[in-house]
Amino acid sequence: EPEVTQTPSHQVTQMGQEVILRCVPISNHLYFYWYRQILGQKVEFLVSFYNNEISEKSEIFDDQFSVERPDGSNFTLKIRSTKLEDSAMYFCASSEAVISNQPQHFGDGTRLSIL
Amino acid sequence: GESVGLHLPTLSVQEGDNSIINCAYSNSASDYFIWYKQESGKGPQFIIDIRSNMDKRQGQRVTVLLNKTVKHLSLQIAATQPGDSAVYFCAEPEFSGTYKYIFGTGTRLKVLA
Repeated sequence: EPEVTQTPSHQVTQMGQEVILRCVPISNHLYFYWYRQILGQKVEFLVSFYNNEISEKSEIFDDQFSVERPDGSNFTLKIRSTKLEDSAMYFCASSEAVISNQPQHFGDGTRLSIL
Repeated sequence: GESVGLHLPTLSVQEGDNSIINCAYSNSASDYFIWYKQESGKGPQFIIDIRSNMDKRQGQRVTVLLNKTVKHLSLQIAATQPGDSAVYFCAEPEFSGTYKYIFGTGTRLKVLA
């Protein structure tokens, strides 16, 4: 069964450094998302992306964050200058369409640890 | 400041018994709901979904029930197995430009051998 893959599985970075999290969505999916989950808390929406542009972003997704689809298969989340509070699991998801009854499929996440 | 983690409700069941996990949703206009399973160190895994024009939907060993009157969802797992041990979330889409998922707190299911 097709799946969303994310790399790396764990990223350790010094505060203030840039980090890029990578995702390969399911190949026929057109809509892409990033969510995050701080340890012990709910999964929270960060951003959605379609047709090479951001469709929606949450309050969490400030100017330090950016997303890109650099080629036909990868979807990346960049944090420009990481902060301690950016430590979390980051999940990429994709869906075929952006209608309400279309499931989003998630990757296994990247654990980001900021020191 | 210190962050406080959510206290997850926990359901412990004997292997082979049936499990029922409940979820209350907030938006009476929601027309679609999903159950996800999250094992330790992994991402949310799609289990089953249901549209609001249905009361019940069955999958393999799982059944989702929807009660729109009281805005309540339940996930029933038949003959629970050790591999079912995980955190289970219900999610509903919220539209504000695109459909993003609003996740519930989650319930931890522990299967006792």
